[in-house]
Amino acid sequence: DAKTTQPNSMESNEEEPVHLPCNHSTISGTDYIHWYRQLPSQGPEYVIHGLTSNVNNRMASLAIAEDRKSSTLILHRATLRDAAVYYCILRADSNYQLIWGAGTKLIIKP
Amino acid sequence: EAGVTQFPSHSVIEKGQTVTLRCDPISGHDNLYWYRRVMGKEIKFLLHFVKESKQDESGMPNNRFLAERTGGTYSTLKVQPAELEDSGVYFCASSIDPSGVADTQYFGPGTRLTVL
Repeated sequence: DAKTTQPNSMESNEEEPVHLPCNHSTISGTDYIHWYRQLPSQGPEYVIHGLTSNVNNRMASLAIAEDRKSSTLILHRATLRDAAVYYCILRADSNYQLIWGAGTKLIIKP
Repeated sequence: EAGVTQFPSHSVIEKGQTVTLRCDPISGHDNLYWYRRVMGKEIKFLLHFVKESKQDESGMPNNRFLAERTGGTYSTLKVQPAELEDSGVYFCASSIDPSGVADTQYFGPGTRLTVL
């Protein structure tokens, strides 16, 4: 399975945009890029996913590089509630399971 | 709409005992998954049901773990006998999209299992 690389942690100020990077240089043409997050003491929560084009939803935006070897999750205006571990996950055509890395721990400073 | 629920939220048992974890998926979701995170490690996939059938159980660690989903509704995960290394948080997730790759998995809050 294709692997992802994310920074261990990032800090941001409240009400500022946050850009969370993910490298996936071995991505294949049919792999979807998924982002989940896990808030403290909760189960993981879906954030967004995409294949080739940039995607927006009410939670975040996903910017995918033209060569698809990297992507960036964008939180437009971070709040304290966005403090969580964010996971970038590649899903292959034949795989229903999610394969988790260590993720990025996002710290929001008030 | 009710989310994925798991019971119990915490369980503390002695080594060698049996524990059964329960997961109730979102109504109408045919896909049900079990994952777990042991201390200090990453979340790992255990198995995947489609309705009552096991689609993929490649992540089950050994034969002390038994998962069932009778009638294609709720699922149970039994650990018998429990060992110290089974301690961790067990998550259940469900999804509706049969195509798999692009679907969204909805997670429960997890069951924290401690084996003493």
